[in-house]
Amino acid sequence: QLQPRESGPGLVRPSETLSLTCSVSGGSIKKNDLYWGWIRQPPGKGLEWIGSIFHGGSTYLNPSLKSRVSFSVDTSKNQLSLRLTSVTAADTAMYYCASGREGYSPLDPFAVWGQGIKVIVSS
Amino acid sequence: DIQMTQSPSTLSASVGDRVTITCRASQSISNWLAWYQQKPGKAPNLLIYKASSLESGVPPRFSGSGSGTEFTLTISSLQPDDFATYYCQQYNSYSPLTFGGGTTVDIK
Repeated sequence: QLQPRESGPGLVRPSETLSLTCSVSGGSIKKNDLYWGWIRQPPGKGLEWIGSIFHGGSTYLNPSLKSRVSFSVDTSKNQLSLRLTSVTAADTAMYYCASGREGYSPLDPFAVWGQGIKVIVSS
Repeated sequence: DIQMTQSPSTLSASVGDRVTITCRASQSISNWLAWYQQKPGKAPNLLIYKASSLESGVPPRFSGSGSGTEFTLTISSLQPDDFATYYCQQYNSYSPLTFGGGTTVDIK
């Protein structure tokens, strides 16, 4: 089974850029033509979809974050990446990478989740 | 945006109880609804997709129903491992994909 794992800095300064990587093990990131999503969860709060990306590069972003977020995929490394610019304290959250269930569409529930990475925005 | 509203936000129950959680969508999403369980410090876990299909490995005491704008998640007989927070999610539209606010099931 494909298993994602998030990595990156745990602390980012306000106004800087957050960069996270999702490394996928257990098979190719292209397997089953799944979409891969990034979801975040502020402390004590609910889940917020950041966006989804296909291995071919197609990207779907939450309009509320679209101006600050970008995704990339490196199929040779079996990795996805997220960049979030101009971070503020409101971006403090647990960030998750997750795979879709059936593939071929971003309209797919998230079947396999990484353990998440805690990111704090603070000076 | 499609707003997803869960009720109640907190539910106190005992082992063996039948538990029902409701999720309402602000517009019709057909049956494009998923339910997740999340335990403290852990990632969410997919329980139900397409409103009523049980994900592989999920105990059959979990069931989902509904279509359009009204959905329910039912736990037929609550077990100690079921005390957690539950989220619904619509995937009818990616502008944006949205989650409900969550329902925490705790011990009565």
